[in-house]
Amino acid sequence: AQSVTQPDIHITVSEGASLELRCNYSYGATPYLFWYVQSPGQGLQLLLKYFSGDTLVQGIKGFEAEFKRSQSSFNLRKPSVHWSDAAEYFCAALTGTASKLTFGTGTRLQVTL
Amino acid sequence: DGGITQSPKYLFRKEGQNVTLSCEQNLNHDAMYWYRQDPGQGLRLIYYSQIVNDFQKGDIAEGYSVSREKKESFPLTVTSAQKNPTAFYLCASSIAGSSGQPQHFGDGTRLSIL
Repeated sequence: AQSVTQPDIHITVSEGASLELRCNYSYGATPYLFWYVQSPGQGLQLLLKYFSGDTLVQGIKGFEAEFKRSQSSFNLRKPSVHWSDAAEYFCAALTGTASKLTFGTGTRLQVTL
Repeated sequence: DGGITQSPKYLFRKEGQNVTLSCEQNLNHDAMYWYRQDPGQGLRLIYYSQIVNDFQKGDIAEGYSVSREKKESFPLTVTSAQKNPTAFYLCASSIAGSSGQPQHFGDGTRLSIL
């Protein structure tokens, strides 16, 4: 079955430290891939998306993600985390012939000062 | 500014009562979606619609109903058949349902049981 896995439920990093959030997908073909961020009590905001081409995708707020076909991964990174980055992050996948996004269970990021 | 408006922000349901959550978008998007969010479970698709007057069940449609009479509107009714309705409900829309376009989300409605 098609699925998206975020193995880390909760991550804590210090402000200014680098960040990597993991995402793995299980699909027959390479899906469209997305990262969203959600602040408490809010909707989801799109950070970045991968359709094809360059494997390193730049997004908003200084985030980037690297697509690795051999590892079926699409990890989100940020070189230096700010306290305002504390939120929940969701990886999601969409196949070309389907209309449904499949979400991972999310990773909650805590930033310590 | 274009966007998705969900109302109300908080909603309370009595036992045996149906309640309707509103979702309106002015992005001129064809496709609209309803998700349910529970802690630790991510988002699960309830219903989606790719065009006016047509909609499909998602993964957890039981106890819910929708309509799509206008392109801008996709209301969700939580019926009394939904035995565990307490959750955060998110509405989303996208340009077209099957072209890989990203979905844009509203700010959600939190439904609780009295």
